Amino acid sequence: DADVTQTPRNRITKTGKRIMLECSQTKGHDRMYWYRQDPGLGLRLIYYSFDVKDINKGEISDGYSVSRQAQAKFSLSLESAIPNQTALYFCATSEADSYEQYFGPGTRLTVT
Amino acid sequence: AQSVTQLDSQVPVFEEAPVELRCNYSSSVSVYLFWYVQYPNQGLQLLLKYLSGSTLVESINGFEAEFNKSQTSFHLRKPSVHISDTAEYFCAVSEAGSYQLTFGKGTKLSVIP
Repeated sequence: DADVTQTPRNRITKTGKRIMLECSQTKGHDRMYWYRQDPGLGLRLIYYSFDVKDINKGEISDGYSVSRQAQAKFSLSLESAIPNQTALYFCATSEADSYEQYFGPGTRLTVT
Repeated sequence: AQSVTQLDSQVPVFEEAPVELRCNYSSSVSVYLFWYVQYPNQGLQLLLKYLSGSTLVESINGFEAEFNKSQTSFHLRKPSVHISDTAEYFCAVSEAGSYQLTFGKGTKLSVIP
């Protein structure tokens, strides 16, 4: 079984809809991250959480919100999706005091 | 603030030829450096990392990278590439104490038979 899982793997939604992307991990890591990947732009950090009660904005948090339901679960929400949020979204985890991050398989989101 | 520049967006190379993927970073403090690889339709996997110690780090599949503090670089090299090395490669940097990764825009390596 994969250590970091993301659901759904693919999603097509319409402009204005609310959508939630979910991330679960069995690695026992305290820290979790959400990134988006756009062609030619690399990965950019949306939000990160160092523990259940510690959530922080990343470089591009506008239009997104997150929820850390438990140590193992970190969800990303788009309250009102717009086409320029079409991207590949990755969840990642790391141990406390570690710089090494482990990535999930990604969710491909298309907003029409 | 830290930043990463990958100078080449695409690098085509013939099988068994050497390759170098370039990465330069900008930071005013100590940094830790990483190379991640993304195979088609997959997530990112850590290829190698520099945290401390020897400035030359190696991966299990023949890649190596050298941390050059004076040139603020962390170039990735392989002396002989295989078809299976076709992937996108991302350089990333984290400033000491931040635990946040800043990624470059990626370099697509295409190995030609």
